[in-house]
This record gives sequence, C-alpha cells and structure tokens, in this order.
Amino acid sequence: GAGVSQSPRYKVTKRGQDVALRCDPISGHVSLYWYRQALGQGPEFLTYFNYEAQQDKSGLPNDRFSAERPEGSISTLTIQRTEQRDSAMYRCASSSPPNNEQFFGPGTRLTVL
Amino acid sequence: GQQLNQSPQSMFIQEGEDVSMNCTSSSIFNTWLWYKQDPGEGPVLLIALYKAGELTSNGRLTAQFGITRKDSFLNISASIPSDVGIYFCAGFNYGGSQGNLIFGKGTKLSVKP
Repeated sequence: GAGVSQSPRYKVTKRGQDVALRCDPISGHVSLYWYRQALGQGPEFLTYFNYEAQQDKSGLPNDRFSAERPEGSISTLTIQRTEQRDSAMYRCASSSPPNNEQFFGPGTRLTVL
Repeated sequence: GQQLNQSPQSMFIQEGEDVSMNCTSSSIFNTWLWYKQDPGEGPVLLIALYKAGELTSNGRLTAQFGITRKDSFLNISASIPSDVGIYFCAGFNYGGSQGNLIFGKGTKLSVKP
C-alpha cells in the first residue's frame, strides 16, 4: 500500500482479555518494527522483523507480549491477559534498504479497562 | 528504555521566528533522524542524516549530524502556524545487532499567530 496501515485504530478491552493488533507495512518493505508510545514520550522499541524472521524482541516487556510476521508482510502483535498498564499507543513502522528510514503507521490506541 | 536527551521540552515562538532544538546521546549512532508528530497521527520523517558532520536541508528545515556522532540539531527558519507539533529526534545504528530507533522525548512547538 501507499503507507503503513494499522488496525484497529482504537481498541478497548477488559483486563484479562487477549488482543491482537495488526500492521500492514509499505508494500515490499523488508523490515517491520513495533513500538509503544506513552503520552508525552517518544516511541519505545518492542520488536522487529527482517522478512519473516524476528531479529530482536528485547523490548517486549514480558512473555504476555508476542509478535509474528509469518509471510514476511503483515505482522500481528498479540498481548495476552491484558493489564491496565498495557494501555498505550502501539505503533508499527517499516523500512527497506538502502537507507532503512522507518515510516510509521497511525497507531492503535489500546485502552485496558 | 533508553532515550536520548532532547531539548527544549517545549517552546512558544512568534510566527516568523527561527527555531532550534537539539538532541544528545551517551552512545554514538551512525544515523540520526528527525520526525514530526501531529495530534492523532504517527511520526512523519522530516530529515535523515547518515554521516558525521553532515548538514542537510529540507525546505525551511536544516539538520546537522554532530561530528562526535552523539548529537544532532534541527533548525526551522521563519516558523509558520503549521509548524506546530511535537518534534522527535531518533538515533539508529544500521548494520548492527540493533534495528530499532532510540527516540528523544520530543520538543513540543507552539507558534503564536
């Protein structure tokens, strides 16, 4: 597509429920990144993929968070047994060589009640 | 998570004035990026810098990659109302084990019409 898209744009869930956030990167982009952004802060890294391979997941806060990109295009970030502290804006970005400049999607605003 | 030191945190300026903001890091980067984020939107890439000492312009925006590779600044000349928003610096080391951007906390720019 023309840009990075994310869905849903807004998600409200009850504590303890699982949620799945989707990212559709720019067509053909090799790398896909997930970030989390709190109000008044810059985005903080969660994980990233080159093609379908997860290269770094050091930013995932705990084992309730997981991500996959099975066909090297669309990615899903899953949060199991959500907690109120998981409430944040979740952003996806994609990039490709040679410059690897990251282009961001509009984000998914997650609210855990 | 790790973040860069970005200053000032916020600024109010008169339309037509020049603006300057900067970012410093305790570690070196081989790429510096500057993003602008409008309310409800994802960060939009403004300028990318790839070489220490590099000075790059994009319209009224000028950014420089510090010679030590630990800092960068962004200048906006002759500010206009649509410059309002939050500006983020981000450092990146392409080719290393890390693929993620490290972001500053942002500079919130408000322009008095």
